[in-house]
Amino acid sequence: SQTIHQWPATLVQPVGSPLSLECTVEGTSNPNLYWYRQAAGRGLQLLFYSVGIGQISSEVPQNLSASRPQDRQFILSSKKLLLSDSGFYLCAWFGTDTQYFGPGTRLTVL
Amino acid sequence: GEDVEQSLFLSVREGDSSVINCTYTDSSSTYLYWYKQEPGAGLQLLTYIFSNMDMKQDQRLTVLLNKKDKHLSLRIADTQTGDSAIYFCAESENYGGSQGNLIFGKGTKLSVKP
Repeated sequence: SQTIHQWPATLVQPVGSPLSLECTVEGTSNPNLYWYRQAAGRGLQLLFYSVGIGQISSEVPQNLSASRPQDRQFILSSKKLLLSDSGFYLCAWFGTDTQYFGPGTRLTVL
Repeated sequence: GEDVEQSLFLSVREGDSSVINCTYTDSSSTYLYWYKQEPGAGLQLLTYIFSNMDMKQDQRLTVLLNKKDKHLSLRIADTQTGDSAIYFCAESENYGGSQGNLIFGKGTKLSVKP
C-alpha cells in the first residue's frame, strides 16, 4: 500500500538557521510529489512539485528550495529561515484516482 | 486570481446534519474537493466531484455543486463527535497529475457538541 512519511514531525528553529524537511514515499514508483505549506489562518499553498528525479517546479518565490535526489524522496530546504516560514508543511503524492498526504511537519521559527 | 472562500467555523450538535459551504471564483475549475484535517494530522481526501456533476453521495457525505453560482457544499448526515475537524474545500483544473495545483480555502472548523 502507498504511504508517505515525513520527518521531523515538529521542529523549532531560530531565525537564520538552515532547514531540511524530508518526505519519502512507499508503494509506488515515479510519483508526482508536492510540497504544501499551511500558514496560520490561511489555506494550503503549493510550494513545489516534482514529476521526477532532479525535476523541480516552484510555484511561489521564496527563500525555500526543493530537491528530488531519489525517485521516492522529496526534500524541502532553506539556507536561512525567516519568521514567515513558520507553518505546517505537507508532502503529497497524487495517484491516478486518489491523493495521499503525509502527516506533516509543524515548523516554528523563533 | 483564483480564490476559494469558506466560513471559518461551524458548530453542530451530535446527530444533527452539518453543512459546510464553499465558493470559488475560477470558472475553469474542473475538479472540486473536500478534505478533512484532524488535529495535528495531514489531510485526508474525503471526496471530490467533477464539474459536470450536480451531486455526489458517499455514505453520510453528500456533495452539492451549483456551477452557475460557483458554490459547493458538503453535507454530513448524523454528525458524530469524530467528525470534529477542519474541512478544506479545494479546486483544480486537472486531477492531480503533473500539476496538482490545488487552490485551497482556509478551512472550516467543525465542532460537534455531544
